[in-house]
Amino acid sequence: DTAVSQTPKYLVTQMGNDKSIKCEQNLGHDTMYWYKQDSKKFLKIMFSYNNKELIINETVPNRFSPKSPDKAHLNLHINSLELGDSAVYFCASSQAGQGLNTEAFFGQGTRLTVV
Amino acid sequence: AQRVTQPEKLLSVFKGAPVELKCNYSYSGSPELFWYVQYSRQRLQLLLRHISRESIKGFTADLNKGETSFHLKKPFAQEEDSAMYYCALKGSGGSYIPTFGRGTSLIVHP
Repeated sequence: DTAVSQTPKYLVTQMGNDKSIKCEQNLGHDTMYWYKQDSKKFLKIMFSYNNKELIINETVPNRFSPKSPDKAHLNLHINSLELGDSAVYFCASSQAGQGLNTEAFFGQGTRLTVV
Repeated sequence: AQRVTQPEKLLSVFKGAPVELKCNYSYSGSPELFWYVQYSRQRLQLLLRHISRESIKGFTADLNKGETSFHLKKPFAQEEDSAMYYCALKGSGGSYIPTFGRGTSLIVHP
């Protein structure tokens, strides 16, 4: 069983389109995240969602919005896609707090290409 | 604010050579430190965490609070160790969002 799964794995779309990436975790974690990995392999936090509390990285454009229908899902919606949005997007989940078994588990990534 | 610095973008060694991937952090509270590995076009996966004081795939890392460092070491590199390595920090208090360093690409030549 895949712990954190995200779909699609690849997404090619035109500028100006709206797209969504889905993420599901079956680990029973209470916190989910979205990270963006750019062409230089930098990994930057975009959103964190815990118990209905959303923490947003202030540098993320408001064209990006997370949606959590339940604790096991955190989907990413992107409006009016731009060329600079091309990147690999990783979903992750963990238990909040510190200590054993609080490490983050990652999905396989979604490679988004905007043309 | 919490920050993780990996000064080396790329580390290139020959098989059998020792490896040290550097990681320094900045955090005023009590942090937890991790190393994650990402093999080519795969997901990030946990390699080791400081609280477990474990050795995984021959890698070890010791948290040095005085130097605020958590360097990753392996005495004899193998070709299969070639990957991207990320150091990460989880803070205490209100925010447990993992913060990652820029990553170091390790290339082990035959």
